[in-house]
This record gives sequence, structure tokens and C-alpha cells, in this order.
Amino acid sequence: EVQLVESGGGLVQPGRSLKLSCAASGFTFSDYAMAWVRQAPKKGLEWVATIIYDGSSTYYRDSVKGRFTISRDNAKSTLYLQMDSLRSEDTATYYCARSAGYGSWGQGVMVTVSS
Amino acid sequence: DVVLTQTPPTLSATIGQSVSISCRSSQSLLDSDGDTYLNWLLQRPGQSPQLLIYSVSNLESGVPNRFSGSGSETDFTLKISGVEAEDLGVYYCMQATHAPLTFGSGTKLEIK
Repeated sequence: EVQLVESGGGLVQPGRSLKLSCAASGFTFSDYAMAWVRQAPKKGLEWVATIIYDGSSTYYRDSVKGRFTISRDNAKSTLYLQMDSLRSEDTATYYCARSAGYGSWGQGVMVTVSS
Repeated sequence: DVVLTQTPPTLSATIGQSVSISCRSSQSLLDSDGDTYLNWLLQRPGQSPQLLIYSVSNLESGVPNRFSGSGSETDFTLKISGVEAEDLGVYYCMQATHAPLTFGSGTKLEIK
């Protein structure tokens, strides 16, 4: 069974950093591109970033380019999202998802950016 | 970016009723490889999204066959043939043909 478990969320002040992790199991992690998708409170879904299977290419939405970094450790079957210079508009639940059809999602982790 | 417009925003149905949700794209979702990367997701209250339909009309494993998808190019429809209580939640269409990946604004299904 595919499992994706996010961690690392919390309350952080504007301008500070936070790093999210997503531990994967139940599939060969190194075979798949992975993504982060977020959902602001009471809002819809918004793609954040994608990384291909070997980490050699990454893609970001414009509003996080230069501030967020997606990465992966295939030996640990773990996906990461380093979030720097956080803004209030980054407040959301962050989901990791397997990019192949988006058929597998984690339970999500809440990030609140507030002073 | 591709804009996906979902209608209606809210849907109220009785158990057993059949309902449809529309998703219209601002550009064709037919990819150069011949596939159309339009999926449907359900997000139940307090849960993460769940894939129902991929590539317009393919039922994800484990999803009941009362769910079906159809459409092409820019117009797509999700149909639920006989709503059940567990179907309540927000339905999203999403496209992965054009970067960046985008989602519709959602359709909330309520059970009367």
C-alpha cells in the first residue's frame, strides 16, 4: 500500500523558514516524480512544486520561485520542501503527492505564517 | 495558465439521485502524445484529496463504478449515477497537460 506521511509543519513568523518532509513507502520512490500541493484555509488546491524521479529537474509556481526548494533523497524515500522567506499567503495545508496521475496523497501538514 | 471552470459550485442531491459536474478548460487539454490529462478528485471533509478518474474517463482502482467521466478538448463531465452518503465532499477537476498543473475551483456536493 502506498503511504505518504508529511511532517515538519507548524507556526512560523513571516520571513522565517520551515522545512517539510514527506516519507514515502509502499512503492519504488526513485521511479516517480513527486509534487507538493497546498490548500489555504477554506480554499481550493494549488500546485506548488514538482521534482522528477532523480531530482535533476524541478519546477515551481511563480509565487514561490526563489523562496521554496523542492528536493528528494531517494535512499531515504523522502521528499522535502524547504520554505524560506515565508509570507502570510503561504499559510496552508501542504500535501505531498505522487505525480503519476496524482493518485496518491499524504494526509497533509499545516503551515501557519503569522506574527 | 490553464483556467478550469467548474459548475455548479454547489450541488445538493438526495440519495440515489444522479448528478453531473462540468469542468471547462480555457484551452484544449489534448496533449501532443494523444492523451488528455484531465482528472477528477474528491476531497471528503477533513481528508486529503482522492483520485476518482484519470485521463478523462478511466476509473481509478477501488473507486465505485457509479462514478464516470467523459468529455474531450475543453469540455468535461463527471457523473455520479446514484449518489450515496459517502459521496459528500468537494469535487475538483485538475489538468496536467499544460504546465503549471492547475485545479478547478471545486464543486461542493451536499446530501439532502
